[in-house]
Amino acid sequence: GEDVEQSLFLSVREGDSSVINCTYTDSSSTYLYWYKQEPGAGLQLLTYIFSNMDMKQDQRLTVLLNKKDKHLSLRIADTQTGDSAIYFCAESINSGNTPLVFGKGTRLSVIA
Amino acid sequence: SQTIHQWPATLVQPVGSPLSLECTVEGTSNPNLYWYRQAAGRGLQLLFYSVGIGQISSEVPQNLSASRPQDRQFILSSKKLLLSDSGFYLCACPGGGTGYTFGSGTRLTVV
Repeated sequence: GEDVEQSLFLSVREGDSSVINCTYTDSSSTYLYWYKQEPGAGLQLLTYIFSNMDMKQDQRLTVLLNKKDKHLSLRIADTQTGDSAIYFCAESINSGNTPLVFGKGTRLSVIA
Repeated sequence: SQTIHQWPATLVQPVGSPLSLECTVEGTSNPNLYWYRQAAGRGLQLLFYSVGIGQISSEVPQNLSASRPQDRQFILSSKKLLLSDSGFYLCACPGGGTGYTFGSGTRLTVV
């Protein structure tokens, strides 16, 4: 079955880069997502990548996909205290039409 | 773009009491709708999804049920709550472009 794994915690200093890693098992995954959840709130889509891409950059965010190893990462440059949140990796084989499978989330703590 | 409304935002219920959480969607018609639960240390667990009125698929056997009485309404219910039902419940639908749009969630505490 489908499975998405993430480390649970990451702590970085303000101004440093954060790298959050994710592995998945379903080789037919077509779309891979990163969501951000701030305390007490729902999930906000940060970025996504199609499986035929290796990298996607959006301002401070860089997503890297190694399809061979089924490894996805999210790099946040110049991490700020406002980036403190839980980050979820998710995968889908059909955007919007099949349920997303989420990892357990990585809690990012930014130390001032 | 879609907007999902969930209420209430927080709820404290005694064990054995009934539950009804409501989710409504604006800005789209006939969407797929999903109920997820987020429990401490367990990430997001898919509970139910619906592809249309009256069509419900259950992912996890439990004492919860879901209904979709109208195109843009998705309801999560229980006849008798258990302590283990505590968690953060999120409703979602496919978003504009790709990915999901999530509601703001309901935090349920069963005491």
